[in-house]
Amino acid sequence: DAGVTQSPTHLIKTRGQQVTLRCSPISGHKSVSWYQQVLGQGPQFIFQYYEKEERGRGNFPDRFSARQFPNYSSELNVNALLLGDSALYLCASSLGVPGLGLGTQYFGPGTRLLVL
Amino acid sequence: AQSVTQLDSQVPVFEEAPVELRCNYSSSVSVYLFWYVQYPNQGLQLLLKYLSGSTLVKGINGFEAEFNKSQTSFHLRKPSVHISDTAEYFCAVSEENQGGKLIFGQGTELSVKP
Repeated sequence: DAGVTQSPTHLIKTRGQQVTLRCSPISGHKSVSWYQQVLGQGPQFIFQYYEKEERGRGNFPDRFSARQFPNYSSELNVNALLLGDSALYLCASSLGVPGLGLGTQYFGPGTRLLVL
Repeated sequence: AQSVTQLDSQVPVFEEAPVELRCNYSSSVSVYLFWYVQYPNQGLQLLLKYLSGSTLVKGINGFEAEFNKSQTSFHLRKPSVHISDTAEYFCAVSEENQGGKLIFGQGTELSVKP
C-alpha cells in the first residue's frame, strides 16, 4: 500500500507570496494533520481535519489555513509568506476515530519550503 | 500544559553498544506516547507506541521503550546499535481528549560511530 504522499517535495517562494501544499493520506484513513518542523526543532502541530471538518488548530496565525476534500486529501495554504515560514511541512494521516483517540499517525516525506 | 522534554540533544555511541534516549512528559490526563525516527531529508517513521496495557513496548529495528507513569517518562532503549541507527529521534505525546494533536520533544540526535 502507498504511504502518505506530499507534493511538491521542495518549494522556493519570496516574502509576501502565497503557497499551497498538498497531501494524500493512506488509503482508508479519514484524518489528516499538518505539522511545521523548523530546522533543528521538533514538529509543531498546525491543523487536524477529520471527515472534512477542522478538529484541531495549533498556535499559528490566520495566514495559515487548510481544508480536506471528499477523497480525504488535504491542502495547506499559507498567505503573506514570512522568512520564518521556511520549514519542512509534514502531513500525517490516521484512521482518526473521534472520541476514541486519533489513532497512530503516519507521516509523509514532507515539503521543504524556503522563503527568500 | 502538555509538554515533552528530551533530556539529551545529542548522544554519541559506538557501534554494538547499548543506548538509552530519555524522554519526560508533563500532562494532567491520560496520554498516549510515541517514538518517531527521522533520517536525513526524510519524514518521520513510527518506531513504537504506548496506548495502554503493558508498560514495556517493543518496536521496529530492535528498539523498546518503557512507560513509567510515576516518573512521567518514556525512555527509548536498544541493547546494541548499528551504524544505520544514526538519525534524529523524537518523543511525542497525545492527550486522551485532544484528538490528533501530537506534542513533540526537541529531538535527540543519535550518532553511531564505528
